[in-house]
Amino acid sequence: AQSVTQLDSHVSVSEGTPVLLRCNYSSSYSPSLFWYVQHPNKGLQLLLKYTSAATLVKGINGFEAEFKKSETSFHLTKPSAHMSDAAEYFCVVSLGSNDYKLSFGAGTTVTVRA
Amino acid sequence: DAGITQSPRHKVTETGTPVTLRCHQTENHRYMYWYRQDPGHGLRLIHYSYGVKDTDKGEVSDGYSVSRSKTEDFLLTLESATSSQTSVYFCAITGGGGETQYFGPGTRLLVL
Repeated sequence: AQSVTQLDSHVSVSEGTPVLLRCNYSSSYSPSLFWYVQHPNKGLQLLLKYTSAATLVKGINGFEAEFKKSETSFHLTKPSAHMSDAAEYFCVVSLGSNDYKLSFGAGTTVTVRA
Repeated sequence: DAGITQSPRHKVTETGTPVTLRCHQTENHRYMYWYRQDPGHGLRLIHYSYGVKDTDKGEVSDGYSVSRSKTEDFLLTLESATSSQTSVYFCAITGGGGETQYFGPGTRLLVL
């Protein structure tokens, strides 16, 4: 069965430094993978999506993620953190079913220090 | 942004009472989903719909029922609310990319 594991429940960075959020996936086939962001008391917003077209995926707000099949990873990065990046981030995998169901990681909370 | 609204946005109720949450979309999408969000669990699928009157269970469906009588509305009902159903509930729909889901603003439910 398809699943994702987010390796860090909490990440703290200083403003202007790089951000790395780690996600490993388990899948019996080449999956579709997503990163969503949730700002406090808000809904979820799609950051980026991988669907096998290119292994390096660029998203909104300067984020990008690289699909590495050999490592079964889909880590999210940003070169320089901004205070507005403080949020919870979810790595998500498609279950590959006809009804487009998804499986969510437990989430990583990012805090940004001034 | 996908046109998804949820109502109510906040609800406080007592154990044993029925509660209905509404999700409304203006995108005419076929697939709609109900999730609950709890700390440390990400989002978990409760029920989903693949068309009018067509619904199926997700991974945490016990204690919940759903109905979809028209394309734009998907209702989630807690027949007899329990404290364990205190959570934030999100509705989602599929967008133009098929698998990509777009989420509503959420409903915060507190069961006392």
